Amino acid sequence: EIVLTQSPATLSLSPGERATLSCRASQSVSSYLAWYQQKPGQAPRLLIYDASNRATGIPARFSGGGSGTDFTLTISSLEPEDFAVYYCQQRSDSYTFGQGTKLEI
Amino acid sequence: QVQLVQSGAEVKKPGSSVKVSCKVSGGSFSNYGMNWVRQAPGQGLEWMGGIIPIYGATNYAQKFQARLTVAADESTSTALMELNSLRSEDTAMYYCVRGVVTTRGIRFDSWGQGTLVTVSS
Repeated sequence: EIVLTQSPATLSLSPGERATLSCRASQSVSSYLAWYQQKPGQAPRLLIYDASNRATGIPARFSGGGSGTDFTLTISSLEPEDFAVYYCQQRSDSYTFGQGTKLEI
Repeated sequence: QVQLVQSGAEVKKPGSSVKVSCKVSGGSFSNYGMNWVRQAPGQGLEWMGGIIPIYGATNYAQKFQARLTVAADESTSTALMELNSLRSEDTAMYYCVRGVVTTRGIRFDSWGQGTLVTVSS
């Protein structure tokens, strides 16, 4: 099973700052990696698919990068509504999720 | 805008079974993959299994292989999940997820609102 390790577990930032979240795979997943945002009491929402493609309706401040085993999600300038938990997920070999990064104010 | 609407919350006894449904509207059903992901309270996300309705092809996580059945009713654009032999550790929010079928698995995109399943004696 491909294990995805996200870091940091918690990221404390302020609105307007830049956020960089990391996801590392235990073996190469090529570019078959997605990022999701989850707010309390809500279902996850797709942000990025195939490592760097923004999903429909996702603001341009969200961007994804990386390939192989190392990936990043960057939020260029945090808005108050961006504080949430973020998950990465791979589909290269079955489907697994990272444990999540909590982005807090 | 596709919508996935799931059935309501369930409370079950240990050893029993639960069925959860997910109706898709506003978008295609048969040629997409329909998957099930669960989230225990305060925990992360776990893929359980899925189906591609147009082919009837199913795929299960090894952990759930013995007690999970996923199905699809194309006439009503509804995906179904049945989990048997429930135990307290199965208490979780269960999500259906629609995805695009690609040459490398299913690319998840749209999620249902979730169905809370509580297993308690």
